Amino acid sequence: EAGVAQSPRYKIIEKRQSVAFWCNPISGHATLYWYQQILGQGPKLLIQFQNNGVVDDSQLPKDRFSAERLKGVDSTLKIQPAKLEDSAVYLCASSPGQDEQYFGPGTRLTVT
Amino acid sequence: GENVEQHPSTLSVQEGDSAVIKCTYSDSASNYFPWYKQELGKGPQLIIDIRSNVGEKKDQRIAVTLNKTAKHFSLHITETQPEDSAVYFCAASKWGTALIFGKGTTLSVSS
Repeated sequence: EAGVAQSPRYKIIEKRQSVAFWCNPISGHATLYWYQQILGQGPKLLIQFQNNGVVDDSQLPKDRFSAERLKGVDSTLKIQPAKLEDSAVYLCASSPGQDEQYFGPGTRLTVT
Repeated sequence: GENVEQHPSTLSVQEGDSAVIKCTYSDSASNYFPWYKQELGKGPQLIIDIRSNVGEKKDQRIAVTLNKTAKHFSLHITETQPEDSAVYFCAASKWGTALIFGKGTTLSVSS
């Protein structure tokens, strides 16, 4: 089966600009996660969706980050305005049930 | 909240040797413990996982053990090969929640 798809793979923007990332989960997976991975660290949750509803967004910086999962399938994550500290890899993961998570290749964001 | 500690941060072994990576967790309610392998420029790949009702699980050269009393779990790789070189992450979660990751172990296997 096809894995989790993400685009773009790389993005370079200047601080204060906006950027959007797209994720298409594995077919049939109801749960979708966005993680942020800063260089040299493990991924950290930004937001969790169950179908098209938000389960956990407690760690999402809501003043600048937003995410949606319309129709319960693909999802977009937006940053506006970007800061230097947002430079990281943004990973999307999906789960068929309650625990196993499968990750996409990630989007590497560089904010200059 | 949950906190996962992972050791060592780097590990160098000779091809054919065994490698062991250890993790501890703080939340006794955690019940799912996966291990991921991440190669440069790629997303984390699930390589093995264990649930709290199991003490040990093996898949070819990879095994994971879980000690719920001590709240620690370990990854064992036997007969290491150069292609095992990567960053390995342990993680923990409770049913239906997001994963909490350790900081990762960079494994280098030299031939």
